[in-house]
Amino acid sequence: QKEVEQNSGPLSVPEGAIASLNCTYSDRGSQSFFWYRQYSGKSPELIMFIYSNGDKEDGRFTAQLNKASQYVSLLIRDSQPSDSATYLCAATNQAGTALIFGKGTTLSVSS
Amino acid sequence: GAGVSQSPSNKVTEKGKDVELRCDPISGHTALYWYRQSLGQGLEFLIYFQGNSAPDKSGLPSDRFSAERTGGSVSTLTIQRTQQEDSAVYLCASSLVGAGQGNQPQHFGDGTRLSIL
Repeated sequence: QKEVEQNSGPLSVPEGAIASLNCTYSDRGSQSFFWYRQYSGKSPELIMFIYSNGDKEDGRFTAQLNKASQYVSLLIRDSQPSDSATYLCAATNQAGTALIFGKGTTLSVSS
Repeated sequence: GAGVSQSPSNKVTEKGKDVELRCDPISGHTALYWYRQSLGQGLEFLIYFQGNSAPDKSGLPSDRFSAERTGGSVSTLTIQRTQQEDSAVYLCASSLVGAGQGNQPQHFGDGTRLSIL
């Protein structure tokens, strides 16, 4: 069973701090990786995607991928209370036909 | 429309009844996916469509579940003889292209919350 693992949290950070979210995946055939944000009672919203080893930055968000370690992370700089949500890490299966999701990390940003 | 549209947003039905859930993907998106999210569980893949064909239906939990897509657009997920364990939020996603064409991000609809009494 191919899996994506995340620490469920909650991860609590003060407003303005950097939040660091991590995930590992088991399928070495996974090629593409995604971070979604999900507010309570809402559907997942795409935040970042990354395909190549290294860092990818978009505004306050940086995604990092290390395929050798099978590790993906998301950094949120200058965290805001509105960033409080569950963050889902996802990896494509080897065939590329589906996303395998972790169970999510709950982030709480206090003002 | 601008996003993935799902209907109904909520569905309550009695055990044993059949239900149909509808998904209208983002215009021009060739790939369509169904997932479900149960309380306390992660998102679970159900089926993938490329155009009107379903090359991966490995996530369908039983033969009570089926799905079709017509015109390369709208998809319907049907659950026959519903059971209480079918209660979940059913999410549809679409992407510009699918497997083997360079995976593009999947964009999700608001989901259908299905409750089986």
